[in-house]
Amino acid sequence: EAGVAQSPRYKIIEKRQSVAFWCNPISGHATLYWYQQILGQGPKLLIQFQNNGVVDDSQLPKDRFSAERLKGVDSTLKIQPAKLEDSAVYLCASSPSGNQPQHFGDGTRLSIL
Amino acid sequence: SQQGEEDPQALSIQEGENATMNCSYKTSINNLQWYRQNSGRGLVHLILIRSNEREKHSGRLRVTLDTSKKSSSLLITASRAADTASYFCATDSSYKLIFGSGTRLLVRP
Repeated sequence: EAGVAQSPRYKIIEKRQSVAFWCNPISGHATLYWYQQILGQGPKLLIQFQNNGVVDDSQLPKDRFSAERLKGVDSTLKIQPAKLEDSAVYLCASSPSGNQPQHFGDGTRLSIL
Repeated sequence: SQQGEEDPQALSIQEGENATMNCSYKTSINNLQWYRQNSGRGLVHLILIRSNEREKHSGRLRVTLDTSKKSSSLLITASRAADTASYFCATDSSYKLIFGSGTRLLVRP
C-alpha cells in the first residue's frame, strides 16, 4: 500500500511569512494527525482529525496555526505568521482508527530565518 | 508535555551486541508503543503492548511493561548496523499518543 505522502519536504521562509504543508494519508485511514518535532525531541501532537472532524487540537497554537481536512481525506496545516520558534519538522500520520498504530510520512522540515 | 522519558539518551554498541532502552511514564495508559526513526525520515511503528500484557516479542525485539513501576523496556538482540536510529516510546492514554524524547542508538560495524 502507498504510504503517507507529505509535501514539500523542505521549506525555508522568513519570520512573519506564511507557509502551508500538505498531507495525503493512507487510503481508508479515518484518523489523521499533525505533529511538530523540534530537533532532539519526540513528536508533539498538534491536531487530530477523525474523518473531517477535529478530535483534539489542545496543543495547536490557534493564533497562528490552522488545519483542515476537507472531505475527510487529505489535509493542510498552515502557519501565519511564522515565528523563529516554529522551526521544526512537521509530521503527518494516519491510522485506521484512533487506537491503532500510526503510519508516518517523512515530514516537512521548516526553517525560519 | 512529554510523558514518556527514555533512558539512556544515547547508546553506542558493537554490531552483534544487544541494546536495551528504557521508558518511564507518569499516568495510567491503555497501551505503550515503540517507534523507530531513521535520520531525516518519519517514524515507523515497531510494537504495541497493552496495559494488561507484560511481555511481547517481534522478531529480534522484546518489549516488557511494568504498570506498577510505570516503565517499559525495549530489547534489540543481535544488533545490526541498520538498527542505527532513534527509538521513541509513546503512551496512549486516551487514543492520543504522547512521545518521549527518544534514545539515539548507534550500532558500530
